[in-house]
Amino acid sequence: DVKVTQSSRYLVKRTGEKVFLECVQDMDHENMFWYRQDPGLGLRLIYFSYDVKMKEKGDIPEGYSVSREKKERFSLILESASTNQTSMYLCASSPPGLVYNEQFFGPGTRLTVL
Amino acid sequence: GENVEQHPSTLSVQEGDSAVIKCTYSDSASNYFPWYKQELGKGPQLIIDIRSNVGEKKDQRIAVTLNKTAKHFSLHITETQPEDSAVYFCAAGSARQLTFGSGTQLTVLP
Repeated sequence: DVKVTQSSRYLVKRTGEKVFLECVQDMDHENMFWYRQDPGLGLRLIYFSYDVKMKEKGDIPEGYSVSREKKERFSLILESASTNQTSMYLCASSPPGLVYNEQFFGPGTRLTVL
Repeated sequence: GENVEQHPSTLSVQEGDSAVIKCTYSDSASNYFPWYKQELGKGPQLIIDIRSNVGEKKDQRIAVTLNKTAKHFSLHITETQPEDSAVYFCAAGSARQLTFGSGTQLTVLP
């Protein structure tokens, strides 16, 4: 079974802090994605990566950056956390072909910024 | 970019009844339409998908229909069971990116 793990289930940070969200997948997938999930807004794509050291902006990249130094690991970075970044963050991975393959999601990290 | 609208936002049905969730999309270039189910405390999981060259697809109690002319697609769940209670997301994709709908909270009442 594909397994996507996220470093924390719950995280509380202060405004202005630098925040790292880590995601690891064990299926050798090329593609990895970061989404945020908010009530009434569904899943919105922040960034995705289709190869090591490659990244592309999604629909809402402002205030975020990402890092993919190894194939299995994709990190989301909030350079200076703000209260409007309080949300559920979901990581996903998929085989090659950005759209037409099933995305496997992690359990999510609920981030609260105070 | 693509815009996906999903309705209803909440749906309650009696066990054994059918449930229908509808989505519309804006980009005629979209040609892949998956549905994901998210149970409490878990990430979404793919339950069924359809491509634009197919009008309908069925997998046991779940079916999806697609009307490309009208740019809408629907999820049908028959003989609902309590374990069907979850949040369901539709999505539309083309080449590079999936765009998700806002989600439907389905509650199956025993």
